Amino acid sequence: NAGVTQTPKFRVLKTGQSMTLLCAQDMNHEYMYWYRQDPGMGLRLIHYSVGEGTTAKGEVPDGYNVSRLKKQNFLLGLESAAPSQTSVYFCASRGVSSYNEQFFGPGTRLTVL
Amino acid sequence: QKEVEQDPGPLSVPEGAIVSLNCTYSNSAFQYFMWYRQYSRKGPELLMYTYSSGNKEDGRFTAQVDKSSKYISLFIRDSQPSDSATYLCAMSITSGGSYIPTFGRGTSLIVHP
Repeated sequence: NAGVTQTPKFRVLKTGQSMTLLCAQDMNHEYMYWYRQDPGMGLRLIHYSVGEGTTAKGEVPDGYNVSRLKKQNFLLGLESAAPSQTSVYFCASRGVSSYNEQFFGPGTRLTVL
Repeated sequence: QKEVEQDPGPLSVPEGAIVSLNCTYSNSAFQYFMWYRQYSRKGPELLMYTYSSGNKEDGRFTAQVDKSSKYISLFIRDSQPSDSATYLCAMSITSGGSYIPTFGRGTSLIVHP
């Protein structure tokens, strides 16, 4: 099992460009989450999904969109990147029987110039 | 004031020391308490979780919850250089359904030989 994988690992964007971050999990988990982690700020929830075809806003959703067309994939989109979106982005998944355990991916380091 | 407060450190200790990591919280509805470990440039991984009050032990690690004081702790005995990482506490009201944990900012721990 690969667990949770994220693509790409690194990316540099210019202000105004768009991109999509891909998260994939092979554990058949129902729940998936996108977080951003900034120095001194901890993990902040951007969007999450409780099942295929469903998404919901988290703590800091502005400037991001998500889609969950397939159960194993959760996409995070930035339509018009801003320097404030420079961060490390983590995807996580959780199974129905996982209770309190979220499984995290390795992260995507994004720099917006 | 954030719901979950955690001193970012860094906390530097010699190998073999007993380490105490702590979080305080303000929401008395929290019932599930988790500790995640995050190595540099990696995603967090669940270390331990406890439900409600009390202690839980797993090898060199002990998690303690004091709901009356809204205070949780993680103790590491006989600390090793391999324990050097950032430790994030997380808390949740529920364990199922729309499980959304609240994370602390993380404490950076350095164990030097």
